Amino acid sequence: GQQLNQSPQSMFIQEGEDVSMNCTSSSIFNTWLWYKQDPGEGPVLLIALYKAGELTSNGRLTAQFGITRKDSFLNISASIPSDVGIYFCAGPVGSEKLVFGKGTKLTVNP
Amino acid sequence: GAGVSQSPSNKVTEKGKDVELRCDPISGHTALYWYRQSLGQGLEFLIYFQGNSAPDKSGLPSDRFSAERTGGSVSTLTIQRTQQEDSAVYLCASSLVPTGAFTPGELFFGEGSRLTVL
Repeated sequence: GQQLNQSPQSMFIQEGEDVSMNCTSSSIFNTWLWYKQDPGEGPVLLIALYKAGELTSNGRLTAQFGITRKDSFLNISASIPSDVGIYFCAGPVGSEKLVFGKGTKLTVNP
Repeated sequence: GAGVSQSPSNKVTEKGKDVELRCDPISGHTALYWYRQSLGQGLEFLIYFQGNSAPDKSGLPSDRFSAERTGGSVSTLTIQRTQQEDSAVYLCASSLVPTGAFTPGELFFGEGSRLTVL
């Protein structure tokens, strides 16, 4: 089945640093989604991308839909302690379900 | 409540016992999903409901796993004869429209049910 490969698996950064993570696939996706999971919570949608080449921002978060439609990037600028969590990329498979990457675990040291 | 509600939040059981996990989706959401999150792993798709029917149950790991949805609302995931490898967080999500439609509906997740099989 379609798989999403996320990197890095984990990141340890200092507060104030910028963060970049990416997601790749061997298959084309028509939509890319980025979710964040806080400890003990369910994932929450951060950004949705619907068009190849699209660059979308949500506050300090910026995500891009790769022009090949096989990758996506998420950047976080000026990280703060509450950015801690697991970030997942996701894409639709068929017409009815989302497939998720294994996540990037972010730790921010104050 | 306004969000997806799951119960129990934590369940510890002995190997071989049956468990039931419940999901109460957001009112009006027609699509309901079950995912499993094992330690260090991503979210593994288990089953999807549209209304009361399950068009895609391809992710259920074995015949020990089953799920049903009644009244287009509450769903129950049942695991029979639990094994230690079933230990994981089971996440339920609901959506107003099926993911993958022209404009994919956002999935709203519950907090999950953490299952530990001893």
